[in-house]
Amino acid sequence: DAGVIQSPRHEVTEMGQEVTLRCKPISGHNSLFWYRQTMMRGLELLIYFNNNVPIDDSGMPEDRFSAKMPNASFSTLKIQPSEPRDSAVYFCASSPQVNTEAFFGQGTRLTVV
Amino acid sequence: AQSVTQPDIHITVSEGASLELRCNYSYGATPYLFWYVQSPGQGLQLLLKYFSGDTLVQGIKGFEAEFKRSQSSFNLRKPSVHWSDAAEYFCAVGHPSKLTFGTGTRLQVTL
Repeated sequence: DAGVIQSPRHEVTEMGQEVTLRCKPISGHNSLFWYRQTMMRGLELLIYFNNNVPIDDSGMPEDRFSAKMPNASFSTLKIQPSEPRDSAVYFCASSPQVNTEAFFGQGTRLTVV
Repeated sequence: AQSVTQPDIHITVSEGASLELRCNYSYGATPYLFWYVQSPGQGLQLLLKYFSGDTLVQGIKGFEAEFKRSQSSFNLRKPSVHWSDAAEYFCAVGHPSKLTFGTGTRLQVTL
């Protein structure tokens, strides 16, 4: 299995632009998670889906952030408009079920200038 | 609320020496506990997990961890460190849907 696949690996964008991060979970996994990693706050769960349905988005920082999972093999995290403080590494993870271990992608390093 | 404390921000050990990384947690029920490793520019790789049963858990790359309920600890150990073990190590508690990570311990290995 190829593992969790995220794209792009690096993204540099200007403040105010829309940014879309993509994730393909491991086939057969029912749960998908979006995390953000920063030096100041460490790893934070932003949102998670179970069977393509958003279950908990309490970690989403503000309305500029949105996430979708149109099918079992694809999810997006969108930031519109982006701000410099959104600069971070964003990880996608998936798990077979919500109460088992999570497998992480390699992350997308986002820089907003 | 659940929380994880990794008291050591940075640890340096010599190659071949033993290693212990500390992790203390706070959780209201029997915890699910994890150790992940992150190499520079990479994602998090699961080293081992504890859900229930035997409190000494074996993981990949020769790592093990021991769950001690009385001490609310889940320390990671390796008897002989290799230079390739240099990375950042994260302890985590909770279900993946509500996973709380520690702040990480950066391991440096000297030759």
